[in-house]
Amino acid sequence: DQQVKQNSPSLSVQEGRISILNCDYTNSMFDYFLWYKKYPAEGPTFLISISSIKDKNEDGRFTVFLNKSAKHLSLHIVPSQPGDSAVYFCAASGNTGNQFYFGTGTSLTVIP
Amino acid sequence: DTAVSQTPKYLVTQMGNDKSIKCEQNLGHDTMYWYKQDSKKFLKIMFSYNNKELIINETVPNRFSPKSPDKAHLNLHINSLELGDSAVYFCASSQVVGGAFPRYFGPGTRLLVL
Repeated sequence: DQQVKQNSPSLSVQEGRISILNCDYTNSMFDYFLWYKKYPAEGPTFLISISSIKDKNEDGRFTVFLNKSAKHLSLHIVPSQPGDSAVYFCAASGNTGNQFYFGTGTSLTVIP
Repeated sequence: DTAVSQTPKYLVTQMGNDKSIKCEQNLGHDTMYWYKQDSKKFLKIMFSYNNKELIINETVPNRFSPKSPDKAHLNLHINSLELGDSAVYFCASSQVVGGAFPRYFGPGTRLLVL
């Protein structure tokens, strides 16, 4: 079963604009959410995370928003840069800490 | 320096063969993982080890056997390979267990079973 969903397989954004990547989850017991970035032929790299007790976490150009009632999180990148072009995975962790679920990824292309 | 390394990067083999994928991390992390990324791009956890002890064993055929000789290494041995085993396998590591998440991933091993 797909507990974490990224419904947009791809996204194109002009350089300098905002990129918004979305993620939905089904399990209300998830208490930790993460975003990873993946370049071709490399493994995913941790980008930013958020605990379920928060609704926003910011790190430089990257901000993650969590809407628990909607079971939705989003990653905002502003301003977008060509080097941000990659596949972005969201992931969620249950309160046992041992279960970890990834979405299928969204391929972001930032156009110079 | 590579934080998490895997060998080989590519592996093409025939059905029925036995193969191993090696993983090493030089971060001093206590927990290591194996993930499988299938054709639909799902990343699914297979195994997790903490200080050489198995802590997560998802529903994986027993043809897959992880081995952790020390906490810096987690190898994956696959017996009697099947077509459906074709995927990209990622090793990962993190600092602590219990609430930990894989922070660093290896580059992946692309396995193709013919």
